Parts: sequence; structure tokens; C-alpha cells
Amino acid sequence: GQQVMQIPQYQHVQEGEDFTTYCNSSTTLSNIQWYKQRPGGHPVFLIQLVKSGEVKKQKRLTFQFGEAKKNSSLHITATQTTDVGTYFCAGGTSYGKLTFGQGTILTVHP
Amino acid sequence: EAGVAQSPRYKIIEKRQSVAFWCNPISGHATLYWYQQILGQGPKLLIQFQNNGVVDDSQLPKDRFSAERLKGVDSTLKIQPAKLEDSAVYLCASSLGVGSGNTQYFGPGTRLTVL
Repeated sequence: GQQVMQIPQYQHVQEGEDFTTYCNSSTTLSNIQWYKQRPGGHPVFLIQLVKSGEVKKQKRLTFQFGEAKKNSSLHITATQTTDVGTYFCAGGTSYGKLTFGQGTILTVHP
Repeated sequence: EAGVAQSPRYKIIEKRQSVAFWCNPISGHATLYWYQQILGQGPKLLIQFQNNGVVDDSQLPKDRFSAERLKGVDSTLKIQPAKLEDSAVYLCASSLGVGSGNTQYFGPGTRLTVL
């Protein structure tokens, strides 16, 4: 079945530093979605990418979808303490099934 | 707009007991999902409903897990009998429709501990 791998598993940064997490799928994806989960919370939808090579920005967050639609990345510029949490990518099928990666746990030191 | 509701929030049982979780999706959402999230891992889809029909249950351990959405609104997930490895957070999510482009909204989850 489809597998989605995400690296790194953990990332510790100083406030103000940048952060990137990478996602790779074993199969070509219909779309890729990104979620954020705060400690003790539930996943919250951030964004969906559908087109090959697509790049989307949300304030300090930049999301990319690879040309082959098998990989993606999330980059945060100048991290803040409010960015703390686990970031998940999820590969989507045409009928809405999501396969989540293991997540990257981001810690931001003030 | 009210979010996805789940109950109970926490449940502790002994192995071989049975347990049931309830989910009420966002009003008007036709698609409902149950996920299992083991500590340190991403959510894993157990079952996906479109109204009261099953779209995908390929990862549901059917020898012990069952789920229903009889009227196409709220849903129940049952485990009988529970095993130690079932300790996890059970997340319910809903979306307007099926297919890419439909954002999934997650409920707060039920944290299950099996002793």
C-alpha cells in the first residue's frame, strides 16, 4: 500500500531560525495536505497542494509539491514560539483517503 | 459553526473488555472518517463513510473493530475485545464530500488506555 515518509522526526530551533520538513510518497499522489497538531490537540488543516510543482505561501509558511507529485516540503521562515507542534503531511487519493506521514515535532527555544 | 464532537474524551479499560466511541460530525458533512493515532505516529485511517455507506475499511481490523453510521449522521466505533496494542487516540473527522479538495475537520479525539 501507499507509504508516506517524513523527515526529520524531530527539529529543535532557536526562535528566529528557519525550519523545513520533507515528505516523500512511495506512489504518485492526487494531492498532498499539511496539518499541524499542537501538543494534546488534534490535527488542524493547513493547506492542500494539487498541481505538479505547485508552491503556496501562508505568511511565514511556504509549501511545495514536487514535479513528480511524490514529494513535498514545508518551510517556516523565522520561527516563533507559536509554531511549536507536530507537522504532518498526508498524501491524498482522488476519493479523499489520506495517508499520513509520521510527523515532524518542532520545538522552538525562545 | 460547531465542530466535530466526540465522546468520551478519555477511557481506561482492561484487555478483553469492549469499548465504544461516538462521533457527531459537522452538520451537513456527508463524509466521516475514523482514525487511530498511536503515540508518536501519524493518524491511520480505519474507516471512511460516505453518508451511511462504507467507502474504505481496508485498514480496519474487522475481527475486533466495527463501525456504523446507520442514519448517515453520527457514528459509533466499537472494539471488542480490546488488546493492549489498541491503546491510542481515536480521532473522528468529517468533510463536506468525498474526493480531493474536501478539507477534513478533526474532532478532539478519544484517548483509550488498555491495561
